Amino acid sequence: SQQGEEDPQALSIQEGENATMNCSYKTSINNLQWYRQNSGRGLVHLILIRSNEREKHSGRLRVTLDTSKKSSSLLITASRAADTASYFCATDAFSDDKIIFGKGTRLHILP
Amino acid sequence: EPEVTQTPSHQVTQMGQEVILRCVPISNHLYFYWYRQILGQKVEFLVSFYNNEISEKSEIFDDQFSVERPDGSNFTLKIRSTKLEDSAMYFCASSAQGDYGYTFGSGTRLTVV
Repeated sequence: SQQGEEDPQALSIQEGENATMNCSYKTSINNLQWYRQNSGRGLVHLILIRSNEREKHSGRLRVTLDTSKKSSSLLITASRAADTASYFCATDAFSDDKIIFGKGTRLHILP
Repeated sequence: EPEVTQTPSHQVTQMGQEVILRCVPISNHLYFYWYRQILGQKVEFLVSFYNNEISEKSEIFDDQFSVERPDGSNFTLKIRSTKLEDSAMYFCASSAQGDYGYTFGSGTRLTVV
């Protein structure tokens, strides 16, 4: 299975601190994506990083990809209360026509 | 910003009944997907659809499930005879190209009683 696995499962940090979430996967991928899900809501695409890229930025988000270790990290800088949500990595293998989600990290930003 | 629209937002149905979940993908997108999320669990892939046919489906997507794009704008998921374990949040998604990010709808919460 190419399924990504995030860690930690849950993370609580103070507002203003940086939050780092990690994702590991098992098979070769075409790209890796990160999504956010607020409680009971839909999934919001945050960022996509391709297998030939090592780092990507979008606003306060920084994603890294290490294909040799089959891992990725999502860094949210200067966290805000509105960042409280679950964060999922999703992998897209070359031969597949789908993305597969990991179990997610529940991030809670404390005021 | 373009959105994927899903209706209804909530559906309660009796076990054994048929349900149709509706989705309007983004108009210039070519790839369409259904996923589901049982409460508190991970998001699971059901089916992908491209060029008016299923391109991939999971083990969950058995004979009780079907998808259709009847009119070039709607994309529907039908469950023929619902079971209690079909209770979940069902998400529709679309993508301009298969290896781009997906845009998800807000989901339909299906409750089978």
